[in-house]
Formats: sequence, structure tokens, C-alpha cells
Amino acid sequence: DSGVTQTPKHLITATGQRVTLRCSPRSGDLSVYWYQQSLDQGLQFLIQYYNGEERAKGNILERFSAQQFPDLHSELNLSSLELGDSALYFCASSVVGLAGYTGELFFGEGSRLTVL
Amino acid sequence: AQKVTQAQTEISVVEKEDVTLDCVYETRDTTYYLFWYKQPPSGELVFLIRRNSFDEQNEISGRYSWNFQKSTSSFNFTITASQVVDSAVYFCALSTTDKLIFGTGTRLQVFP
Repeated sequence: DSGVTQTPKHLITATGQRVTLRCSPRSGDLSVYWYQQSLDQGLQFLIQYYNGEERAKGNILERFSAQQFPDLHSELNLSSLELGDSALYFCASSVVGLAGYTGELFFGEGSRLTVL
Repeated sequence: AQKVTQAQTEISVVEKEDVTLDCVYETRDTTYYLFWYKQPPSGELVFLIRRNSFDEQNEISGRYSWNFQKSTSSFNFTITASQVVDSAVYFCALSTTDKLIFGTGTRLQVFP
């Protein structure tokens, strides 16, 4: 158990819909990262938050957005869903953020999104 | 730009064989970190090891060992006497700032 909690574990929805994925980081970790794992794209970094503020951005689509709340949990919002958005979405947390990355990321079990 | 290449898409071995998973990375930074993660069939990502760019000492942990060579920009992972439970996808990753960039992974299948 990594200590990172993601909900829901599985989600099935239709094209055009909007979903929210939730992540609770390990106790004490200030950084939250979101990754997308699809069959043809591998593990793609989407976005990182550190203590409530966006810290780094990767290949995140404009239809996707995220935020980190004062209690440090994070939500990833996916809207206008397309078939190609079907993937496993991982959240990870780490201790280090602003000063530079030195620690390992601890990953949640992922949220599997299926868009029909 | 940073890049991680895992040229081996899939490897199949028989139990007790040794197997090496290759990882080649690219970065212009002098300070960076390298990682290996394991993704078993259940799907979670499990951290295995982290090395920083200033420490080229090889590391052994039980049946696992890692060979870091800056001269060839490689960070290879060897499993000695493989077991069926080692079957998983293994990812090599590179970090220079705040994001971790993954290779495409190597699927290892260990047959009894």
C-alpha cells in the first residue's frame, strides 16, 4: 500500500460526458502528480501541483483540468470525453516539490476510465 | 529534451534464468535522477530504485541489481534467478526537475 488513494477505481461513461477523478496523497506529501497510461501512449505526465499551486505541466489536453485543494487532495476533471481518453489515470505524490525533485513518486492504484 | 528509451518491448524467460532490462536515457542536465518501477498485472506502480547522477555505484538488492553507466547513458536492471512473480511491466524513468518521464516499458514474462 503506497498510501496514495484514488477514487473511483473504475469508471465507465459515454463520449461527451465529464468525469472527476480524485486523489488523496500520502500523509505529509505536498506534491501531487497526474499521469495517463494508455496502450498506445505509455505513461504520460499530465500535471503536477505543489501545496495547492500548479508546478509543472505536461501533455495535458485543454479539455482536462486539475486542482489541488487546501487539504492537499487533488481532482482531475476530464470533460467532453472522447473514446481516446480511455486509459488508466494515476495519481502520485512525493515530499519534494518546489526545490527540485529528489524523492521517489508513490503511486495510487489508478482510476481506469472507459469511454464508450 | 529528456528522453528514456527501453528498446525491449517484451522479454520471455523461463524461471531461474537471469534477465537484463535495458534503459537508455537522454538529458543535458548534469543533475538528474533515474528510477525503475514495476507494474504487476494488478496495475499498480511499485517503486524499485532511485539513483542520482553523481552516484554511479552499482546496487544489489536481493535478486535485483542495477548497473548505472553515465558514459553510455544507461541504467540497466538485472533480475537474477527470475521467478514467475517477477512477471510484470518494468518502467525506467528519468527526472531532472519536478516531473518524472517514463520509458515505454518492458513486459517481462517468466514461465515456470
